[in-house]
Amino acid sequence: DARVTQTPRHKVTEMGQEVTMRCQPILGHNTVFWYRQTMMQGLELLAYFRNRAPLDDSGMPKDRFSAEMPDATLATLKIQPSEPRDSAVYFCASAELGNYGYTFGSGTRLTVV
Amino acid sequence: GESVGLHLPTLSVQEGDNSIINCAYSNSASDYFIWYKQESGKGPQFIIDIRSNMDKRQGQRVTVLLNKTVKHLSLQIAATQPGDSAVYFCAETPWSSASKIIFGSGTRLSIRP
Repeated sequence: DARVTQTPRHKVTEMGQEVTMRCQPILGHNTVFWYRQTMMQGLELLAYFRNRAPLDDSGMPKDRFSAEMPDATLATLKIQPSEPRDSAVYFCASAELGNYGYTFGSGTRLTVV
Repeated sequence: GESVGLHLPTLSVQEGDNSIINCAYSNSASDYFIWYKQESGKGPQFIIDIRSNMDKRQGQRVTVLLNKTVKHLSLQIAATQPGDSAVYFCAETPWSSASKIIFGSGTRLSIRP
């Protein structure tokens, strides 16, 4: 089965450090999403791309978060500088246009100490 | 102040019985409604979706019912199995053309042997 690959699976970092999370979407899926999951807020949409162009990043703290798609096989989410409140599981998902059956990756569990 | 964790509602069901998971939504303009299942340590997995012009849709062992009058969505799982243990999320699309979905808070399904 085709799958979305996220790296790393786990990341522990110190406050103030830069964190980069990577995602390889399913080949042929032209829409890529970044979600964050915490106990307090549940699943929050941070940003999403269509055909590599950012469509909506209103859910993302702009001062420290950035999301890019350098090419169709790679999406990145970067936090600089990281803070303890960024600790969460970050999910990437991809989908074909108009398809609400997203395929999620296994997530990156980020801990900022 | 002390933070309070998000307490997911839990449904406990005897193995072999039918499960009914409920969800209330707020946006009457939503076009699609979707159910996802999330097992421990994994990303959400698409189960079934329903368009707003339908009131029922069936899949394999699952049925989704939509009542637009009271803004209520339910997921019925027939003959519940241990593998159905997970957190179930309903989701909706506030904007029909964007492929963007917003997740609800989730219900934990627990199976009694």
